[in-house]
Amino acid sequence: DTEVTQTPKHLVMGMTNKKSLKCEQHMGHRAMYWYKQKAKKPPELMFVYSYEKLSINESVPSRFSPECPNSSLLNLHLHALQPEDSALYLCASRLTTGIDNEQFFGPGTRLTVL
Amino acid sequence: AQSVTQLDSHVSVSEGTPVLLRCNYSSSYSPSLFWYVQHPNKGLQLLLKYTSAATLVKGINGFEAEFKKSETSFHLTKPSAHMSDAAEYFCVVSDPGNQFYFGTGTSLTVIP
Repeated sequence: DTEVTQTPKHLVMGMTNKKSLKCEQHMGHRAMYWYKQKAKKPPELMFVYSYEKLSINESVPSRFSPECPNSSLLNLHLHALQPEDSALYLCASRLTTGIDNEQFFGPGTRLTVL
Repeated sequence: AQSVTQLDSHVSVSEGTPVLLRCNYSSSYSPSLFWYVQHPNKGLQLLLKYTSAATLVKGINGFEAEFKKSETSFHLTKPSAHMSDAAEYFCVVSDPGNQFYFGTGTSLTVIP
């Protein structure tokens, strides 16, 4: 199994809603990432988990709350989002050691905030 | 510090002609370099990677890239463009930790 899965594919939410994005991989990777991508732009790093511990938080607003319940799962909890948070949210995973150190990306969740 | 510069924001080629997407990098370390492709509303797919082995790297779908340390470049090439190659391409450099640095992307258009 060499894929990263993300659910849901699409999400529409109001500014007062609470929702969660889910990411899963079964490749034994111990680093997992959340990125935000706006149209025609490169992905912007939000969070990195290494061995289930948060290792990088790129000054993301507290309305985004990551969680890594185990080595295969990564969640992103959303609350009180703003319309400018509408974007493609990408999850990626990576083997932390060795030369096979590329990131594997999921297909993304397209988020629309109304 | 690591950074990547993609020299062209947009490249347009005719089907069957060569493709050249340019990337220059800056790295404080011996770099690992990657090219990813992204089709509309999709995730990123790895095309190829350089991790200090052979300087000419072959990837999927006929793409290859050459690592040139003296020029700090890692340009992506393909001998003959196909319509399905139309997409956004990102050059990426990684650091010894867990962070990746993306270029701003090159949008490739293939004209039939």
